[in-house]
Amino acid sequence: QVQLVQSGSELKKPGASVKVSCKASGNTFTTYALNWVRQAPGQGLEWLGWIDTNTGRPTNAQAFTGRFVFSLDTSVRTTYLQISSLKAEDTAIYYCVRGIEWGQGTLVTVSS
Amino acid sequence: NFMLTQPHSVSESPGKTVTFSCTRSSGSIATNYVQWYQQRPGSAPTTVIYEDDQRPSGVPDRFSGSIDSSSNSASLTISGLKTEDEADYYCQSYDSSGNGVFGGGTKLTVL
Repeated sequence: QVQLVQSGSELKKPGASVKVSCKASGNTFTTYALNWVRQAPGQGLEWLGWIDTNTGRPTNAQAFTGRFVFSLDTSVRTTYLQISSLKAEDTAIYYCVRGIEWGQGTLVTVSS
Repeated sequence: NFMLTQPHSVSESPGKTVTFSCTRSSGSIATNYVQWYQQRPGSAPTTVIYEDDQRPSGVPDRFSGSIDSSSNSASLTISGLKTEDEADYYCQSYDSSGNGVFGGGTKLTVL
């Protein structure tokens, strides 16, 4: 069974950048795509996009282009979500999802 | 693109059966698989149904999923309700380009 372990909480100022990591256990890293989802406080789930773990090709949801970048390092079975020019409205829990497995979530707080 | 519409909240008593709906606004519900996620307060979501009606190992058989082309909707049914089933439930599917689409979620209260 795949486990996804994400990096810890982050507190950032508006305009800064953040990089969230998601490490997969097991040796089938390239079998499934890796999706990113976020959940603002008290809100529902939003799909940000995904990265093809075979080719490294990212696909962003229309509402999350530009500032949201997906990348991966297959040597350490880790995918990354980098968000630049952070805004207060980016405050949310960010989840990675692979197949039916979810990471534990990473809280990103953007506040001055 | 399409939307997935879920009722905002549902209440039911322990031991009863509850069914959540998830209606697709355009295109056929059968075109792309539907997943269902359970999110208890303060926890990450977990998958309770994938590919319309498949149950991950460890999910009780009280949980079942289906799709209905006549109403263009997917359903999640939980039988023998327990207080531990109290949670938010989200449906999710993909569009033709592989982009994910979530429903707004249904809050289940077991009282």
